[in-house]
Amino acid sequence: ETGVTQTPRHLVMGMTNKKSLKCEQHLGHNAMYWYKQSAKKPLELMFVYSLEERVENNSVPSRFSPECPNSSHLFLHLHTLQPEDSALYLCASSQDNRQGYQPQHFGDGTRLSIL
Amino acid sequence: DQQVKQNSPSLSVQEGRISILNCDYTNSMFDYFLWYKKYPAEGPTFLISISSIKDKNEDGRFTVFLNKSAKHLSLHIVPSQPGDSAVYFCAASGVSGAGSYQLTFGKGTKLSVIP
Repeated sequence: ETGVTQTPRHLVMGMTNKKSLKCEQHLGHNAMYWYKQSAKKPLELMFVYSLEERVENNSVPSRFSPECPNSSHLFLHLHTLQPEDSALYLCASSQDNRQGYQPQHFGDGTRLSIL
Repeated sequence: DQQVKQNSPSLSVQEGRISILNCDYTNSMFDYFLWYKKYPAEGPTFLISISSIKDKNEDGRFTVFLNKSAKHLSLHIVPSQPGDSAVYFCAASGVSGAGSYQLTFGKGTKLSVIP
């Protein structure tokens, strides 16, 4: 079982659709993260959860709605997305978001395409 | 404005030689620096890190050097192997206003090791 699993790996959706991205970590970590990677841009942090509580929201539009029902699962609910939202969405986890030396462990990402 | 910069989008090195990947940063408040490696269709994998109070950290073939006065770090891979061919991301860890550590990534350098 890999450490951080993301589903689906690929998603194509229209601008009026509603879909969800799922992330599950099997590492016993307490913090989980959503990142966006657009072409030619660095990874951008979107949300941070610590023990199921959202601690960071980096100016992300409300059409992205995260949910963390427990410390092992993280969702990103998507609705009325725009073409510029097409990107690779990566989930990560770490033992503790208050320790800077703790590395984050990443899933393989969901490649999202908005038509 | 990018706080973490990797100015070389790509680097080619002969097998057995040294690979040197560079990274510059602007924020002197970063506490830790990390290197990640990414193969196509996979998520980034943590490679090595260094605390801002150190100037060198070594792990097998990988060594990271930090020059705080120049706000510069580098990753040395010796000897380089074809399996090292990947995209390498530099990341800096610092505390946000909410008290959690966040990673700021560079755009990455694609390393090709030629057999």
